[in-house]
Amino acid sequence: NAGVMQNPRHLVRRRGQEARLRCSPMKGHSHVYWYRQLPEEGLKFMVYLQKENIIDESGMPKERFSAEFPKEGPSILRIQQVVRGDSAAYFCASSPGENEQFFGPGTRLTVL
Amino acid sequence: GEDVEQSLFLSVREGDSSVINCTYTDSSSTYLYWYKQEPGAGLQLLTYIFSNMDMKQDQRLTVLLNKKDKHLSLRIADTQTGDSAIYFCAETLPPGGYQKVTFGIGTKLQVIP
Repeated sequence: NAGVMQNPRHLVRRRGQEARLRCSPMKGHSHVYWYRQLPEEGLKFMVYLQKENIIDESGMPKERFSAEFPKEGPSILRIQQVVRGDSAAYFCASSPGENEQFFGPGTRLTVL
Repeated sequence: GEDVEQSLFLSVREGDSSVINCTYTDSSSTYLYWYKQEPGAGLQLLTYIFSNMDMKQDQRLTVLLNKKDKHLSLRIADTQTGDSAIYFCAETLPPGGYQKVTFGIGTKLQVIP
C-alpha cells in the first residue's frame, strides 16, 4: 500500500506564474489536508477536503490560492500569480476518516 | 502568538536521554502528538496521547502530559544519531469531527556522536 504521494517534489516558478501541486492520498482515504511550512516555521493548516467538497478552508489565503479534490484523480493545490512569499514546503496528508493523518513527502516550491 | 510553543534547538550526546518540551494554550485539546521530520522528508507520527492520560510509553519514547500546566514532553531514552531531526508537537481541538492539527514551530534535535 503506497503512502501519500505528492508531485512534483520540487517546483521552481518565476513571479507571476502558476503553481500546481498534486497529492494522491493513500488507497481508501477520502480525506485530504493541505499544510504549508514556511522556512523556519511549523506547519500551518490550509484546507481540508473530502471528495468533491471543501470542508474547511479557514487557513487558505483569500486570494490566488485554491484547492480541489475531484471525484477521480489527485487533489490539486493551485497558486496563481505566485510571489516570493509563497516559497515554502507544501504538505498533503490523508486519512480514511476522522483519525490519524498520514503525511506525504511534501512539495518544495521556490519562487524566483 | 503561536497556539503551540516549543524551544528551537536541543543538543545531546549519543546515549544520553533527550527531553523535548512543548506548551499549548487550549485546554480543550483532544489529542496531542509528536511528529518527527528528517531533512527533506515529510512528517512521521511518532506517538500521541489522549488528553485524559498523564503518560504514555512506547519503547524508547515516553510522553508526559501535565494538563494543569498545559505542558507536554517527549523523552527519548538512549538517544541515537538517527534520532537527529526536527520534532513537532501538535494538538487537535474539538469539535469539527475531524483532525485539524495545529503544529508547533519544531525543535531541532542534534545528537553528537
